[in-house]
Amino acid sequence: DAGITQSPRHKVTETGTPVTLRCHQTENHRYMYWYRQDPGHGLRLIHYSYGVKDTDKGEVSDGYSVSRSKTEDFLLTLESATSSQTSVYFCAISDPGGLNTEAFFGQGTRLTVV
Amino acid sequence: AQKVTQAQTEISVVEKEDVTLDCVYETRDTTYYLFWYKQPPSGELVFLIRRNSFDEQNEISGRYSWNFQKSTSSFNFTITASQVVDSAVYFCALSEVNNAGNMLTFGGGTRLMVKP
Repeated sequence: DAGITQSPRHKVTETGTPVTLRCHQTENHRYMYWYRQDPGHGLRLIHYSYGVKDTDKGEVSDGYSVSRSKTEDFLLTLESATSSQTSVYFCAISDPGGLNTEAFFGQGTRLTVV
Repeated sequence: AQKVTQAQTEISVVEKEDVTLDCVYETRDTTYYLFWYKQPPSGELVFLIRRNSFDEQNEISGRYSWNFQKSTSSFNFTITASQVVDSAVYFCALSEVNNAGNMLTFGGGTRLMVKP
C-alpha cells in the first residue's frame, strides 16, 4: 500500500472555527490532491499541488486553502468552517515518473461541522 | 469541461448474478485516461483499472471485465458471478493527459449490493 496518512481521521468542529487537515506521504510523489466526497457527487477536487509551494485550485476550492512546505506534507485549511463543509476528505498522491498513472488515496477524514 | 456520469445510483443483485455498471464520459480531449475505483464499506478507495483513450481492447481480470467504447463514450464494468464481497460503491473517473499529474473527475458512484 502507498504510504499516505491523513490526520485526524475524524473531527467534529463548530461553525466559524478554523480547521486544518494533514496529509503525509512517504512515497516522495510530486503530485498531491485534496478531494471531498459527498453523496451523489462522487469525489470533487478541492486543491492540488505539483511541488513544494506550488499549488492550484480545483473544482470546489471556495472556503479552502492549502499549503505545501515539504514534499511529504500537504495541508488543507478551512479558515472558518461552515456546515456545508461537512464531508469526507480524501488526500491522494500520484507518481511523478508516470503521467496519469493511478492516484493512491489516503484513508479519509470525516469532518463534521456543527 | 470534462464530465463523468454513472446513471445507476444503486444496484441490488443476488449472489452469482452478473452485473454491469455503466459509465459515460465527456471530454474535448482526444487523449485521456479512464479509471475505476472501488470503495468498500470500510471507506478506502481501491484502484481497479486504468485505460488510455488509444486502447479500446476490452480487459478481463478474474471475474471483472471492462468494455471501453469510444464511439459511445462509455467505459462499462461487469462483474461476473457476483459475490457478497463485491458489495461496495464503485466510481468511474476521467483524467485528461495535459492536466496536473493525475487530476481526476469522478462520477457520482454506483452502490452495488450483493445479497447472499
